[in-house]
Amino acid sequence: GAGVSQSPRYKVAKRGQDVALRCDPISGHVSLFWYQQALGQGPEFLTYFQNEAQLDKSGLPSDRFFAERPEGSVSTLKIQRTQQEDSAVYLCASSLRSPNTEAFFGQGTRLTVV
Amino acid sequence: KNEVEQSPQNLTAQEGEFITINCSYSVGISALHWLQQHPGGGIVSLFMLSSGKKKHGRLIATINIQEKHSSLHITASHPRDSAVYICAVSKGNKLVFGAGTILRVKS
Repeated sequence: GAGVSQSPRYKVAKRGQDVALRCDPISGHVSLFWYQQALGQGPEFLTYFQNEAQLDKSGLPSDRFFAERPEGSVSTLKIQRTQQEDSAVYLCASSLRSPNTEAFFGQGTRLTVV
Repeated sequence: KNEVEQSPQNLTAQEGEFITINCSYSVGISALHWLQQHPGGGIVSLFMLSSGKKKHGRLIATINIQEKHSSLHITASHPRDSAVYICAVSKGNKLVFGAGTILRVKS
């Protein structure tokens, strides 16, 4: 595709529900990142993949958060037993090679936990 | 203390004014990014730089590695420049972001 695509754009979940957020990176991009952006704040790192390998998951806030990229392209961020504090915009970004090349961002998924 | 600090947090300008947004960082970095985010929209990369100065249209970005400081300048500002401007630094495998500067340009 032309850019990074995320779905859904908006998700409302009841507290305790599991959610899955999808990211389609730019074709051929090796690096893929997930970020969490709370209202009025800058994004914060969650996790990083190089192809299918999850090389850094230091930013995942709890063991309820899980990310995968099984074939080195599409990635899914799963949040189990959602809590209100999980409400945020979840951004996906990809870059062609290493993390130090230009990153291209998706539109984000706005998650609201009620 | 945040690793990336931006100032100002909010900025209102009149159309045509010259605008400067500042970014200071406290960690070793391999590159610095300036990004633009419109309300409800995704993030667009404006610049990635590791030294000196870059220019694209009415936008200019500079970085001083010794002082750990970067500036984003907008010349002849226009209402369509209204957005959140975010400074981010490449640190290892990730980007570390500032909180952003909310810019509003009035006509």
